[in-house]
Amino acid sequence: DTGVSQDPRHKITKRGQNVTFRCDPISEHNRLYWYRQTLGQGPEFLTYFQNEAQLEKSRLLSDRFSAERPKGSFSTLEIQRTEQGDSAMYLCASSLGAGSTGEKLFFGSGTQLSVL
Amino acid sequence: GENVEQHPSTLSVQEGDSAVIKCTYSDSASNYFPWYKQELGKGPQLIIDIRSNVGEKKDQRIAVTLNKTAKHFSLHITETQPEDSAVYFCAASKADNQGGKLIFGQGTELSVKP
Repeated sequence: DTGVSQDPRHKITKRGQNVTFRCDPISEHNRLYWYRQTLGQGPEFLTYFQNEAQLEKSRLLSDRFSAERPKGSFSTLEIQRTEQGDSAMYLCASSLGAGSTGEKLFFGSGTQLSVL
Repeated sequence: GENVEQHPSTLSVQEGDSAVIKCTYSDSASNYFPWYKQELGKGPQLIIDIRSNVGEKKDQRIAVTLNKTAKHFSLHITETQPEDSAVYFCAASKADNQGGKLIFGQGTELSVKP
């Protein structure tokens, strides 16, 4: 499968614990995006990377959230001291970032986080 | 910042009928408008997109129209089939030549009854 891969698919944690999600973008895609989606809503932008550089962070991304893309390939999203309000689907997307189709975003299947 | 409004929130049609979903955006600088289909337990799947220099685009049973003046864009699905049942999202972006973040509408749950 050459699509965007996210791991794990599901995560259940207790309030106050730290969690980390991983995203592997489509090979050669320069841009990588993180979104959050709650039930019945559209995806909300969190942050994105151009190669290893984090170019923009949403105000939704509190200081408990940190994202990295150390070598410009896979990315991790960590949530520290989880709260029940963090329960959501965390989606990763990637785009080629160049050429006539560079703006097309392709999404993974997401990581469903439940904070008890 | 950009805001995207999507209507209706739910839409039920008979198989074979057409379905239309409408979106409006607030930022006149937005120049890229994709539509995504999301099935239960899956991520959004890109089904069609349009750039601001084009008024209409069609791909088999799916078409998208864009009115830049009114800041409206719409998805049209003809000859609907039960497998078209899903949640559909519109989005808008101020894309440079390397892409850009998408701002999504709230979604439309389409149900196609056989």
